[in-house]
Amino acid sequence: QSVLTQPPSASGTPGQRVTISCSGSTSNIGGNSVFWYQQFPGTAPTLLVYRSTQRPSGVPDRFSGSKSDTSASLAISGLRSEDEADYYCASWDDSLSGPVFGGGTKLTVL
Amino acid sequence: QVQLVQSGAEVKKPGASVKVSCKTSGYNFNIYGISWLRQAPGQGLEWMGWISGYNGNTNYAQKVQDRVTMTTDSVTSTAYMELRSLRPDDTAVYYCARWGGGRSDGFDIWGQGAMVSVSS
Repeated sequence: QSVLTQPPSASGTPGQRVTISCSGSTSNIGGNSVFWYQQFPGTAPTLLVYRSTQRPSGVPDRFSGSKSDTSASLAISGLRSEDEADYYCASWDDSLSGPVFGGGTKLTVL
Repeated sequence: QVQLVQSGAEVKKPGASVKVSCKTSGYNFNIYGISWLRQAPGQGLEWMGWISGYNGNTNYAQKVQDRVTMTTDSVTSTAYMELRSLRPDDTAVYYCARWGGGRSDGFDIWGQGAMVSVSS
């Protein structure tokens, strides 16, 4: 079982806006930044959002992160077929003294 | 450009050890650390630990701390992860990733991964 909780799947049609949730606790998301990673099958993850809301250069502004209390969300607007991938949230955990991850959400573009 | 290139796939028997390398290029190795993460087949990501590129300080996850050793070679800007007493549930893709080492730092550059299979 992962420390952070994500829905196992999400879906949307092209052009739609979808959100993926990530739930944690006061020892992780509640007091620390949240990160989002995108992973295509057979490849390494890539950083999508850092410090809860920031995008690395090269990441389209269709992707946005937010955080409130002990939960976070990744929103993808203008959904495209190439967004179909697995998405993982992560945060530092004060009790474990290290980063922890969600179980991942498989996004399907219908 | 910044790159992390890992060693190849390994097949090991239970009880053996494996050592995975991660050769870095395109940035100052001393400024960042390297984290090691793994992903079992069809599963999520698990952080295993971190080593500083500056002074070799380490921080291992509790789950593997008794079996893992992370080292670096600053001359070749290469990081290594050795896992001992391998078990079948250690079968996974092992990734190295660049990390600043702080709680507000993300894993911004990843290696391509190295598959380690443990089976009798």
